[in-house]
Amino acid sequence: DIQMTQSPSSLSASVGDRVTISCRASQSIRSSLNWYQKKPGKAPKLLIYTTSNLHTGVPSRFSGSGSGTDFTLTISSLQPEDSASYYCQQTYSAPTFGQGTKVEIK
Amino acid sequence: QVQLQESGPGLVKPSQTLSLTCSVSGVSISSGDYYWSWIRQPAGKGLEWIGRIYISGNTNYNPSLKSRVTISVDTSKSQFSLELSSVTAADTAVYYCARVVWGGLGSIYFDSWGQGTLVTVSS
Repeated sequence: DIQMTQSPSSLSASVGDRVTISCRASQSIRSSLNWYQKKPGKAPKLLIYTTSNLHTGVPSRFSGSGSGTDFTLTISSLQPEDSASYYCQQTYSAPTFGQGTKVEIK
Repeated sequence: QVQLQESGPGLVKPSQTLSLTCSVSGVSISSGDYYWSWIRQPAGKGLEWIGRIYISGNTNYNPSLKSRVTISVDTSKSQFSLELSSVTAADTAVYYCARVVWGGLGSIYFDSWGQGTLVTVSS
């Protein structure tokens, strides 16, 4: 199966900061990469699908990029409600998720 | 607006079979436009895909769980179900059901999720 590795595992940033989360696949997954936001006790929410497509209703401060094995989720201006864990997911083959990145607000 | 709701026992004994149902509303599960999937998250750990089903009954499972998993669909009740046999404490997790969009050119994503249900494996 395809392994997904996210970095960093956690980060702390201030409101208004630009935040970048990386996700690396163990082999090429072309553009079959999605990003989800997960808050404690809540269901995951789709943010970005197929590398760079913003899901309906997701604020435009979220964006995604990459291809092949290296992908990035960017939050252009961090907001208090963005405190959450973020997971990448590949769907090129049997779906697998990264281990998650916990984003905290300073 | 699509809604998914998991239901089933919150406590299962070791070696027994875990059974959960996902009820789908707001969209016809029979429409054929989507796959339907199960995912789980043990406490303090990441997300793990369990498997998916299409209305035809065609299924795909996580290779690591394949020998113990069965996913089925009941279109008359707009439900799909998960059975996980021979459970151990390692199967204790929050279990989610989700809708899977199967777009073109490798575009596959989970766009709607249930709230999740905690299943504890303990005697």
